[in-house]
Amino acid sequence: AQSVTQLGSHVSVSEGALVLLRCNYSSSVPPYLFWYVQYPNQGLQLLLKYTTGATLVKGINGFEAEFKKSETSFHLTKPSAHMSDAAEYFCAVSGTGNQFYFGTGTSLTVIP
Amino acid sequence: EAGVVQSPRYKIIEKKQPVAFWCNPISGHNTLYWYRQNLGQGPELLIRYENEEAVDDSQLPKDRFSAERLKGVDSTLKIQPAELGDSAVYLCASSLDGDSYGELFFGEGSRLTVL
Repeated sequence: AQSVTQLGSHVSVSEGALVLLRCNYSSSVPPYLFWYVQYPNQGLQLLLKYTTGATLVKGINGFEAEFKKSETSFHLTKPSAHMSDAAEYFCAVSGTGNQFYFGTGTSLTVIP
Repeated sequence: EAGVVQSPRYKIIEKKQPVAFWCNPISGHNTLYWYRQNLGQGPELLIRYENEEAVDDSQLPKDRFSAERLKGVDSTLKIQPAELGDSAVYLCASSLDGDSYGELFFGEGSRLTVL
């Protein structure tokens, strides 16, 4: 079985500051990990994904995430926050059976 | 390329009334998902189709929810009768092959309010 835990339902950062959104996963099989972003009244959009290979994954809009098996983590970072980054972010895991499990989300606020 | 299309975007009904949501996935995508997203929560799977076959409907409340995907293309999700607790956003997603490392493409969702 797979699951994800997102630490912190709300995160606030100043514009230009580092963004760090935390995600820990549980999986009985090698996981595939994803970060999705959801803007108000819109569907989810893929930011980045880890399947195999390089553990540091780069995505759209300057975001990246690092898969750390020893820590069962897949935290999302961005060096410098922009006002347009304000949104809801979801971590997700999949394994066998084409099932995707989403975390409860982290709402990111960017303070001017 | 057109994305996943859902309708209606918003629906307000009184409890015990029926409601239906429609989804047209990206052309060529074999796998279609219906998710429910409650306020402040992540999406939760209701049903997954591989072509026209429902391969995972374990989380679908079958006493009041039904879904179909005729001809393996567009899909309809129905609730009858609706209850207050059904208020949520219903998201449709599709993927190319249904593999576990593929990308899910989401529609904008259908927001249901049950009064």
